[in-house]
Amino acid sequence: SQQGEEDPQALSIQEGENATMNCSYKTSINNLQWYRQNSGRGLVHLILIRSNEREKHSGRLRVTLDTSKKSSSLLITASRAADTASYFCATYDQTGANNLFFGTGTRLTVIP
Amino acid sequence: DAGITQSPRYKITETGRQVTLMCHQTWSHSYMFWYRQDLGHGLRLIYYSAAADITDKGEVPDGYVVSRSKTENFPLTLESATRSQTSVYFCATSPVGRYNEQFFGPGTRLTVL
Repeated sequence: SQQGEEDPQALSIQEGENATMNCSYKTSINNLQWYRQNSGRGLVHLILIRSNEREKHSGRLRVTLDTSKKSSSLLITASRAADTASYFCATYDQTGANNLFFGTGTRLTVIP
Repeated sequence: DAGITQSPRYKITETGRQVTLMCHQTWSHSYMFWYRQDLGHGLRLIYYSAAADITDKGEVPDGYVVSRSKTENFPLTLESATRSQTSVYFCATSPVGRYNEQFFGPGTRLTVL
C-alpha cells in the first residue's frame, strides 16, 4: 500500500512551542498533502507540496519534502491551543491506483 | 453557502439492512469521493466520481454501491450492512481532480449492530 505513516502517533507540547510531525511513504509520488482534523469534524486541507518542490510555507506552517528519503515533515511554529487536532499526510500514488492515500495521523495536543 | 453536507450525521442500523448515506455539495465541483475512517487505518477511499454518471472504485469498494445522477449529489448505499462497516464515513469534493486539494464534509458516524 502507498499509505503514508505519520510519526509520532501522538505529540503533546506547550503553547508557543514548535511542533514537528513526520510522514514517510513507500513509492513514487506526484504530490504530498497535509490535512488537519479537529475532533468530530471533517478534514481540512492545509498545504500541498509537489514532488519537484523541497519546501513550502503557509502562515505558521512549513512543509519539507525529501523524495530521496520518501519523507515529509510538517512544522507548526508558535503553536496555539487551537492547533490541537490530528494531522494527516496524504500522497498521490503515480504507480498504483491513482488515488490519494492517507496516513493514520499524528494527534497533536497543545497545552495552554 | 453550506458547501458540503452529509446526512444523517449519526445512524444506527442492524446487520443485513440497507442504509443510504447522503452527500450534497453546493460548489458544483466535478469530483466527489467517499471515504471511511477507522482507527489504525486512517482514511480509505471507497468510491469516487469524476462527474455525473461517472463512478469508479477506490481501495475498499466491496459491500458499497454509489450513484451520481446529479453533479451535486453522491449517495453511498450499503446494500446489506455488516458489523465491519461500522465506521465514520466522509464525503469529499474537488474542483480539479482526485489528486488535488479535497474539501471534506462533517462525516456520518454509522454503527451496525
